[in-house]
Amino acid sequence: DAKTTQPPSMDCAEGRAANLPCNHSTISGNEYVYWYRQIHSQGPQYIIHGLKNNETNEMASLIITEDRKSSTLILPHATLRDTAVYYCIARRGNQFYFGTGTSLTVIP
Amino acid sequence: DTAVSQTPKYLVTQMGNDKSIKCEQNLGHDTMYWYKQDSKKFLKIMFSYNNKELIINETVPNRFSPKSPDKAHLNLHINSLELGDSAVYFCASSPQPANHNTGELFFGEGSRLTVL
Repeated sequence: DAKTTQPPSMDCAEGRAANLPCNHSTISGNEYVYWYRQIHSQGPQYIIHGLKNNETNEMASLIITEDRKSSTLILPHATLRDTAVYYCIARRGNQFYFGTGTSLTVIP
Repeated sequence: DTAVSQTPKYLVTQMGNDKSIKCEQNLGHDTMYWYKQDSKKFLKIMFSYNNKELIINETVPNRFSPKSPDKAHLNLHINSLELGDSAVYFCASSPQPANHNTGELFFGEGSRLTVL
């Protein structure tokens, strides 16, 4: 199963775009890339997922490189409530393997 | 109504005791999971059940025994608790049957277990 690597922490100014990178260089062709976030003391919350194409929803955009070895989660206008740990996950079937995530701090 | 609910939310117990954590989902999902989150916030899958059948059993000690009386419930029983079992345990459910690659995981709020 593919492993993902993310920077341990990032800061972002409130109102600016937050770009969270993820490396999944060993991902296989049938593994989706998922993003979840965890706000302190809560369960992880689904954000977005994709296979090959870029995806956008009301929360975020997901940009996946053509070779699928990396992706970027974009929060277009970060707010203080977006402060959380963000997990990039490669999923195959019922197996979601979480890494250590990126702790994003949105600064006023 | 809470979609995935776990009880208890907090559990403090002595080493050597046996304890259970219960999980229920009212989403009609076929698949349920247990994850363990350690002090470094790393979320690790422990078990997955699909319609009451065990489909994923990671390298978890035999002291951990999941039980799924029906597809809406997945309980976790832990025997002979050790200090290293202290963690937050998350239950989750997913609408997908086995071997599908799409669909979200819906997580409960977590159960914080502290072993003294």
